[in-house]
Formats: sequence, structure tokens, C-alpha cells
Amino acid sequence: NAGVTQTPKFRVLKTGQSMTLLCAQDMNHEYMYWYRQDPGMGLRLIHYSVGEGTTAKGEVPDGYNVSRLKKQNFLLGLESAAPSQTSVYFCASISASYNEQFFGPGTRLTVL
Amino acid sequence: KQEVTQIPAALSVPEGENLVLNCSFTDSAIYNLQWFRQDPGKGLTSLLLIQSSQREQTSGRLNASLDKSSGRSTLYIAASQPGDSATYLCAVRTSGTYKYIFGTGTRLKVLA
Repeated sequence: NAGVTQTPKFRVLKTGQSMTLLCAQDMNHEYMYWYRQDPGMGLRLIHYSVGEGTTAKGEVPDGYNVSRLKKQNFLLGLESAAPSQTSVYFCASISASYNEQFFGPGTRLTVL
Repeated sequence: KQEVTQIPAALSVPEGENLVLNCSFTDSAIYNLQWFRQDPGKGLTSLLLIQSSQREQTSGRLNASLDKSSGRSTLYIAASQPGDSATYLCAVRTSGTYKYIFGTGTRLKVLA
């Protein structure tokens, strides 16, 4: 039981490049979330999903897209990376019946 | 709009001291509140989850209380140890939403 895993752990991009971050959970959780964490600003919600095939915007969705084609996976895409997207990205999953959030280890992204 | 505040931003205490961390929220119609611990460069580890109908939860040396009417939760740590040094974050889910709003955390240092 690996819990919540994130791929990759680190990435450096140039401005304008695209990439996809993968979040996978093996706990059969219904809800999944993508957050970014910046110094002094805490965690901010980017997008979330309450079930396979559904997604919704969080607090800071601009510049990101997401997909949840399979229940266990939640992908976060950056179509054209900007330096303002330099951050640590965390994924979390939650069981609909108990509501405790479980977090992945994070992806540290630098956009030059 | 739900806003979550954690004061103080940083705290240093000598080993063995009992301490209280605070989390305030502006909308009392919450679904649940969760406390996390984050070590430097790591992900978030769940400590305690308090459902809306509960007044407190306990785990070992940790006790979290919830007072919805005053918009406050406290995390009590008994007999603090150097290993408790970390950043502590609270997250609030407002009723009728799937979104979690995080405070910016309290950075705790327990001195040996």
C-alpha cells in the first residue's frame, strides 16, 4: 500500500515548455486535489476532482489543466510554463466516507 | 469566503513544555477541520481530523479542540520534545463545498 505517490519529484522547465505531473493513489479514494505551496502563502488549491471524469477549479486554477480519466490517477498539466509557476506541488486524496486528507511527497518545480 | 489564520507564525519553547497552537476561521459553517505536521522539504502528515459534530480529538500527546461558534480550533501538545519541531498547519472544509482552505502554519521549534 503505497498511499499517494507523485511523479516526478523534481523538474526544471524553461518558460513556455509544457509538462504533466502525475498523482496516483491506491486507497480507492473518491476525491483528489492538487495544491501548490509557496513561501509565506501556505497551500492553495489549484483544481480538484470528486470522482472519475469530473474536475473543478480551486483558488488558483489559471495556467493549469487537470484530468481524472481513472479513479486512481489525477494529472496536472502546465501547457506553457511561466516563472510564476515555480513552486512545490502537492497532491492529496480523500475518502468520501471519512474525509481525512492524505498527501503525496510533493513535486518541486522550477521554471526558468 | 472562508479565511483561515494561524497565530503565531513561529514559536520556540524549551523541551517539556506544554503548548497550544491556534487556528481561526471566519465562516463557522464548517464540515470538518484537520491538523497536519510538515517537516522541512517533506509532505504533510495528518495528525487529527475533527468532524463538525465533534468538540475534540486526541492522539497520544496531541489534543485538538473545535469551537465553531467562536471560529477557533486549538492543537495542544503535551510535554513537547525536540522531535516535535516542525510546521503545523490547519485546514478547514466549509459545509456545502469540497474545498479545503489552509492556514499559513505555525513553525514550532522545541529546544533541547
